[in-house]
Amino acid sequence: DVKVTQSSRYLVKRTGEKVFLECVQDMDHENMFWYRQDPGLGLRLIYFSYDVKMKEKGDIPEGYSVSREKKERFSLILESASTNQTSMYLCASMNAGVNQPQHFGDGTRLSIL
Amino acid sequence: EDQVTQSPEALRLQEGESSSLNCSYTVSGLRGLFWYRQDPGKGPEFLFTLYSAGEEKEKERLKATLTKKESFLHITAPKPEDSATYLCASPSSGSARQLTFGSGTQLTVLP
Repeated sequence: DVKVTQSSRYLVKRTGEKVFLECVQDMDHENMFWYRQDPGLGLRLIYFSYDVKMKEKGDIPEGYSVSREKKERFSLILESASTNQTSMYLCASMNAGVNQPQHFGDGTRLSIL
Repeated sequence: EDQVTQSPEALRLQEGESSSLNCSYTVSGLRGLFWYRQDPGKGPEFLFTLYSAGEEKEKERLKATLTKKESFLHITAPKPEDSATYLCASPSSGSARQLTFGSGTQLTVLP
C-alpha cells in the first residue's frame, strides 16, 4: 500500500512566521502535490513536482513556495504566514504513467493566529 | 474550462436504502475519472479509476459507472460506516498530472 506521511496533524503558528510543512512518500513516485482544502471551495492545487528539483505552479501558488531535494520528500513553505492561510493542507503522490491515481496523506490542519 | 460537478451536495439515507451519487464533467479529452472517499479530518482515500465509457468497477457495497458525460457511484444497502464525503476527480485537459476535483457529496447513513 502507498503511504504518504505528513509531519504534523495539527499546527498553530503566528502571522509573519515562516512555516514548513513536510511530506514523505514511500513508493518511489515521481509526482508529488500540495493542496489546500477549505469548506465550500473544495481541493485546490498549490504546487506540484514531477521530479527532484522540478516544480510547477498550481491554481493558487501566491504566498507559497516548495522544495523537492529528494524524490521521497516534498516540502511546502509559507514564507510569511497570514491568517487567510489557515486551512487543511493535503499532500499527495502519484506514479508516472497514464491514468494513475493520486494517493493522499491525512493532512495538516494549520491555524495562523 | 474544466469542470467537475457533483450532486447532491448532501444525502441522508437510512441503513439499507440504496441510492446513487452523480459526477458530471466537462473536461475535453477525458483521460479517466477517479472516485475518492474522505472521512472527517482525514485525506481522501482512493476508491476507483474508470477509464472509458461503459466501464464499471465494484468494491463491497459500492459500484462506479462511467458514461461519456457523467459517472455514478451506486451504493447498495449502505451501512452507517459508509458515511463519508465522496469526491470525484478528472485529469485536467491542460495537464494529465493535475486533477480537477468536484466539491463532493456528503453521505450520512442513519442506523
